[in-house]
Amino acid sequence: QVQLHESGPGLVKPSETLSLTCTVSGGSINNYYWSWLRQPPGKGLEWIGYMYSSGSTDYNPSLKSRVTMSVDTSKNQLYLRLRYVTAADTAVYFCSRVQFAVAVNMDVWGEGTTVSVSS
Amino acid sequence: QSALTQPASVSGSPGQSITISCTGTSSDVGAFDYVSWYQQHPGKAPKLIIYDVSSRPSGVSNRFSGSKSGDTASLTISGLQAEDEADYYCGSYSSSGTLVVFGGGSKLTVL
Repeated sequence: QVQLHESGPGLVKPSETLSLTCTVSGGSINNYYWSWLRQPPGKGLEWIGYMYSSGSTDYNPSLKSRVTMSVDTSKNQLYLRLRYVTAADTAVYFCSRVQFAVAVNMDVWGEGTTVSVSS
Repeated sequence: QSALTQPASVSGSPGQSITISCTGTSSDVGAFDYVSWYQQHPGKAPKLIIYDVSSRPSGVSNRFSGSKSGDTASLTISGLQAEDEADYYCGSYSSSGTLVVFGGGSKLTVL
């Protein structure tokens, strides 16, 4: 079955760029939408955005000016870049697969990766 | 502040039923039959347990059921079991700003 695994640096300095990779195994990236979400410590889920395997994207307006999502289908990997991070960006970041192309239906999730923003 | 409103906590005894509400607006819950519910155990990723208001993914117990009336969606868990103790989040497709909005989560305690 499809499995997702997020990876990236656990610590990022303020004002720098957070870069994460989501590796998809057991299935193809093609013909699906893929989402990124985050969860600050002790808080709820926040949808960052999603992208189709072709590269088209839709972002949360609150993060749109700082976010870029991309995909490398040859590597079966998804990427998230978040620029100019602050302490408010400290969170567990998840990637997920969207079911039936309905953005809120996410049927497969990675285990998440913790990112702390601190100098 | 979350876009959707859920009770912060709910509780019930083993074998009982509980219902968690999720209140939105006419731009999200009330506008679309695209409400999902997620179960999250501590330190784990969320798990999809209900989608499209009332559909269950393969492998999810039929003790979990969903419904919607107007701007409020509900998750009912029947025959409570100790393993149901977790945080539950509702999410909805939205036409106002971001595509996906979530509730703040409800912590279920099985007494």
